[in-house]
Amino acid sequence: DAKTTQPPSMDCAEGRAANLPCNHSTISGNEYVYWYRQIHSQGPQYIIHGLKNNETNEMASLIITEDRKSSTLILPHATLRDTAVYYCIVSAYNFNKFYFGSGTKLNVKP
Amino acid sequence: EAQVTQNPRYLITVTGKKLTVTCSQNMNHEYMSWYRQDPGLGLRQIYYSMNVEVTDKGDVPEGYKVSRKEKRNFPLILESPSPNQTSLYFCASSLGLAEETQYFGPGTRLLVL
Repeated sequence: DAKTTQPPSMDCAEGRAANLPCNHSTISGNEYVYWYRQIHSQGPQYIIHGLKNNETNEMASLIITEDRKSSTLILPHATLRDTAVYYCIVSAYNFNKFYFGSGTKLNVKP
Repeated sequence: EAQVTQNPRYLITVTGKKLTVTCSQNMNHEYMSWYRQDPGLGLRQIYYSMNVEVTDKGDVPEGYKVSRKEKRNFPLILESPSPNQTSLYFCASSLGLAEETQYFGPGTRLLVL
């Protein structure tokens, strides 16, 4: 099963873009890249996911490298409410191996 | 409103006293799962269920039981709780396909004395 590597923490100024990196060098061809976040001790919240192509939704953009060994989550205009732990996860279908890892603590500062 | 509910939200108990944490979802999801979260260890999967009457172990199943007698409910049972099961527990559900996201409950904070 693929594992991910993320920096333990990052800072971002409010209103600026937050770029959160993730390495997943052992990802398999059928595994997706998912991003979730957890605010304080609330239940994790889905952000975005992708397989090969870059993806964008109302919350964020996901950039996946061509070799799929790494990805970047982009929050285009970070706010104080985006302060959270962000998890990058790779998993094949059915979620029976869904490893959250340690995540990146994003601190958005005024 | 689509949601995953857990009860109780907070529980203090003593070693050896059987307890059940309930989980219910109203989205007709096939897949449900239980996680525990401990400081420094992230979220770890305890058990998951692909459908009614189908359950399987996750990464840390020891000391836990589950059942899936109906699609909407997936209770977590601690037959004889021990202090090392003090943790924050989350239930999650999804349609079970790679394109579908998991929806998480609000969490149950358990303290075993």
